[in-house]
Amino acid sequence: DVKVTQSSRYLVKRTGEKVFLECVQDMDHENMFWYRQDPGLGLRLIYFSYDVKMKEKGDIPEGYSVSREKKERFSLILESASTNQTSMYLCASSLSGVGTSGYTFGSGTRLTVV
Amino acid sequence: QKEVEQNSGPLSVPEGAIASLNCTYSDRGSQSFFWYRQYSGKSPELIMSIYSNGDKEDGRFTAQLNKASQYVSLLIRDSQPSDSATYLCAVYNDMRFGAGTRLTVKP
Repeated sequence: DVKVTQSSRYLVKRTGEKVFLECVQDMDHENMFWYRQDPGLGLRLIYFSYDVKMKEKGDIPEGYSVSREKKERFSLILESASTNQTSMYLCASSLSGVGTSGYTFGSGTRLTVV
Repeated sequence: QKEVEQNSGPLSVPEGAIASLNCTYSDRGSQSFFWYRQYSGKSPELIMSIYSNGDKEDGRFTAQLNKASQYVSLLIRDSQPSDSATYLCAVYNDMRFGAGTRLTVKP
């Protein structure tokens, strides 16, 4: 069973803090993604990675960075947390190719910045 | 910017009816399409994938793809209250999802 594990289910951080969200997948997927989900806005792509040490910006990368030092791990970093980054953060992974079986999501991290 | 759009909903159907969910996409090169179901407070889970024009059936679910018209749809037959959730359309090449359609099935 494919598993994508996000390190925290709920997080509360203070404005200005540096925040690390961790994601680990155990199915040797090449691709990993970070989305945030807000009511009425759906899933928005923050960053994605096709390979180790590779990263690409998504639609809303401002205020975020990522790290992928190992194939199975993809970290999202909020350099200086702000209240508008309060959201549900979802990590996903997938295989490459046309016939891919789609994205597998982690259980999400609900981040509150106060 | 490439877009994935879904009928906005919310959609309400009585138990036992057919629920019809629609999605259009802008990238003509897209080849893989997925429907996800998301219960409140949970992460999305894959329920259907479709890659070729036509229909694909899996139990009570049927996905339909028309690449010429750039739309993909999901039909849920014999809808059950447990089908009440938000349904997300995903276009794999774009890495993007529709905003989702909230479905309520009333007993």
